[in-house]
Amino acid sequence: GQNIDQPTEMTATEGAIVQINCTYQTSGFNGLFWYQQHAGEAPTFLSYNVLDGLEEKGRFSSFLSRSKGYSYLLLKELQMKDSASYLCAVRGGRNAGNNRKLIWGLGTSLAVNP
Amino acid sequence: NAGVMQNPRHLVRRRGQEARLRCSPMKGHSHVYWYRQLPEEGLKFMVYLQKENIIDESGMPKERFSAEFPKEGPSILRIQQVVRGDSAAYFCASSPGTVTYEQYFGPGTRLTVT
Repeated sequence: GQNIDQPTEMTATEGAIVQINCTYQTSGFNGLFWYQQHAGEAPTFLSYNVLDGLEEKGRFSSFLSRSKGYSYLLLKELQMKDSASYLCAVRGGRNAGNNRKLIWGLGTSLAVNP
Repeated sequence: NAGVMQNPRHLVRRRGQEARLRCSPMKGHSHVYWYRQLPEEGLKFMVYLQKENIIDESGMPKERFSAEFPKEGPSILRIQQVVRGDSAAYFCASSPGTVTYEQYFGPGTRLTVT
């Protein structure tokens, strides 16, 4: 089967750094995405990794290890507005071809406290 | 460049009625995805369409649900004979027909079945 695992909830303090992990088991791999979703709103795209290594974008960075089926999202200098759910999604399929369907984790709810 | 548009934003239907949810993808995007999200739960993939074609409908319930993306006009998700369990947020996302795979989400339609 295909599975994406993330912690359900995390808590951190304003100004700190937090790492949200994601492990996946999929039949094939064609890229991993991180999205942010505030309560009652639509998910917004944060990052995309298809090769191993770290992708940095401002306060947010995303890491991928394909051999370990593992990714993490790193949030630095946390702000109160970073309180949201963070969703990990994988484009899987050995012969994904033109199928762009993503397999989604259930999300990690991050609470940033003052 | 307008983002993904969905209407209506809120829809109330009585049990047994039909619900029609519309999605206009971003300009230049030819791939549309429909998701359902229950409160406090993750995104559930329903269907993936290109113009006039259903690419993957593995997440669609076998009965009462249908989707289309005609050559002209928005994509439509249709739910016939709605039941209370259909109450959820329905998100539409779109992506371009290039190598870029990230999906851009609309604001969602909140369906309430009374």
